[in-house]
Amino acid sequence: DGGITQSPKYLFRKEGQNVTLSCEQNLNHDAMYWYRQDPGQGLRLIYYSQIVNDFQKGDIAEGYSVSREKKESFPLTVTSAQKNPTAFYLCASSGLGTGFGYTFGSGTRLTVV
Amino acid sequence: KNEVEQSPQNLTAQEGEFITINCSYSVGISALHWLQQHPGGGIVSLFMLSSGKKKHGRLIATINIQEKHSSLHITASHPRDSAVYICAVEPGSQGNLIFGKGTKLSVKP
Repeated sequence: DGGITQSPKYLFRKEGQNVTLSCEQNLNHDAMYWYRQDPGQGLRLIYYSQIVNDFQKGDIAEGYSVSREKKESFPLTVTSAQKNPTAFYLCASSGLGTGFGYTFGSGTRLTVV
Repeated sequence: KNEVEQSPQNLTAQEGEFITINCSYSVGISALHWLQQHPGGGIVSLFMLSSGKKKHGRLIATINIQEKHSSLHITASHPRDSAVYICAVEPGSQGNLIFGKGTKLSVKP
């Protein structure tokens, strides 16, 4: 079945360590997105990519990095520069342009201790 | 002021009740999405609208572009409808979404 796979579901890291969250899709979607969700707040865009080897910063990109070496994969690295990394992270994909629905992953809950 | 406002924030209903969740937005949009998030976090896309009305089973979504307002209705609500319902808008053609904070719905048997 087509979909988005995010792994792991839960992740614990020590403060100061970089951590990479995985996102893979087999929907042949061109666009992929990373969002962050905090309690009581709407999802906020971290980074997005519309084509391989190209990506743009979203509203809260500081302290994060991404790569898009393959169409299917859009990993997110939470660096030690991210001041408050504990959050729920969602990956999504869509076709390009209006009219292509979004597909969301099941999310990764990151806790930094 | 948030660009996407949902109301109510929390909603408790008895099984069988008709439910309405509202979404107002302040930007020009190319499409509006209604999403459902269950405990555990996974999100499912329910509707994408650019005009008019859509129906899927017991769910109905409407949008009024002139008034910048959309509603999600659930008829004959059931405890399995308990979830957070999120409104999101596409402000342009790039596909990025601006999200509301969500409405937490709890349907009691």
